[in-house]
Amino acid sequence: QQQVKQSPQSLIVQKGGISIINCAYENTAFDYFPWYQQFPGKGPALLIAIRPDVSEKKEGRFTISFNKSAKQFSLHIMDSQPGDSATYFCAASRYSGGYQKVTFGTGTKLQVIP
Amino acid sequence: DAGITQSPRHKVTETGTPVTLRCHQTENHRYMYWYRQDPGHGLRLIHYSYGVKDTDKGEVSDGYSVSRSKTEDFLLTLESATSSQTSVYFCAIRGGTDYEQYFGPGTRLTVT
Repeated sequence: QQQVKQSPQSLIVQKGGISIINCAYENTAFDYFPWYQQFPGKGPALLIAIRPDVSEKKEGRFTISFNKSAKQFSLHIMDSQPGDSATYFCAASRYSGGYQKVTFGTGTKLQVIP
Repeated sequence: DAGITQSPRHKVTETGTPVTLRCHQTENHRYMYWYRQDPGHGLRLIHYSYGVKDTDKGEVSDGYSVSRSKTEDFLLTLESATSSQTSVYFCAIRGGTDYEQYFGPGTRLTVT
């Protein structure tokens, strides 16, 4: 059962545009919502994260918007650049069975074209 | 990659053979994880460790075993590799916060 649903699967955006990736979750026990960025041939790297008691968090050109009542959250990349081309994973984290369990979405492959 | 190395980085093996992947960390982290990454599935947890000789199963542990005899090394073993285990395997350590994980560079395993 996929506990974190991510869309779209792929996204093409022009340079300077806004990239938007959406995620939805079901389990209200999740207590952190991180986003990871992965470049080809590399491991995922933490990009930005938010707690469910915050509606928005911004770090540079990256913003997470969080809607607790709808159980949805999204990543916005402003002024998208070719260097942002990567696969992005949303995730949800909760403490379960003795460890902090991180459940990942299926990923969005972003291509920013010049 | 936060002081995490994985070996080998690439491996091709035949169905039915045993395979061991190694994860090595240099920062004395207590928690270590093994994930597999497959298209359409994201990252799925295979096993994790919360200390030397302390390990437990993740969501896709069938066909895999792990061992941790030293803090710095976490081994993933496929006792008898199958084609369904063709994947990219990532090791991770827990970072400074509960939700933060640092990933190694990955091992691409192909089972023919």
